[in-house]
Amino acid sequence: DQQVKQNSPSLSVQEGRISILNCDYTNSMFDYFLWYKKYPAEGPTFLISISSIKDKNEDGRFTVFLNKSAKHLSLHIVPSQPGDSAVYFCAATRSGNTGKLIFGQGTTLQVKP
Amino acid sequence: DVKVTQSSRYLVKRTGEKVFLECVQDMDHENMFWYRQDPGLGLRLIYFSYDVKMKEKGDIPEGYSVSREKKERFSLILESASTNQTSMYLCASSFQPRIYEQYFGPGTRLTVT
Repeated sequence: DQQVKQNSPSLSVQEGRISILNCDYTNSMFDYFLWYKKYPAEGPTFLISISSIKDKNEDGRFTVFLNKSAKHLSLHIVPSQPGDSAVYFCAATRSGNTGKLIFGQGTTLQVKP
Repeated sequence: DVKVTQSSRYLVKRTGEKVFLECVQDMDHENMFWYRQDPGLGLRLIYFSYDVKMKEKGDIPEGYSVSREKKERFSLILESASTNQTSMYLCASSFQPRIYEQYFGPGTRLTVT
């Protein structure tokens, strides 16, 4: 049973516009959430994270929003750039759980010039 | 820069063979992880280790074992490879307390025929 779901396999946006990637989770015990980005032929790289005590975390063009009541998080990229084209994975965990992450299936973002 | 290296980018093995996948990190990280990535399933944790000679089962340990004799090296072993173990294998490492911000290697594409 998939505890972390990314229901959109792919997303295409125009350069300069906003990209919104979504992620849903089912386990109410999760209290820490992360986004990773993966380019072809490379391993994933950590992008941004958020603790359940917050509802928003911002890092430059990237903002993660957390809606605990809906068990939903989203990653906003503003403005989107062609170099942002990659697969994005959300991940969730219970803090203190020795690093065990549960990943979503991934969303492929294409940013068109 | 953290570097996580994996012994092979591509590997082809026959059913029943014993397979060793090697991972080395150069940043003295305590924690190391093995994942497999499959289309539509995201990344799934096989095993992880938070210290030398220590190991913990992840979500899908069946058919796999691991070895961590030195801090920098974490090996994944397929005792008797099967076709359903054809996958992309990703190694990662992290340090305390930022255990969830994991650094990934480029992956090994294993095909079992």
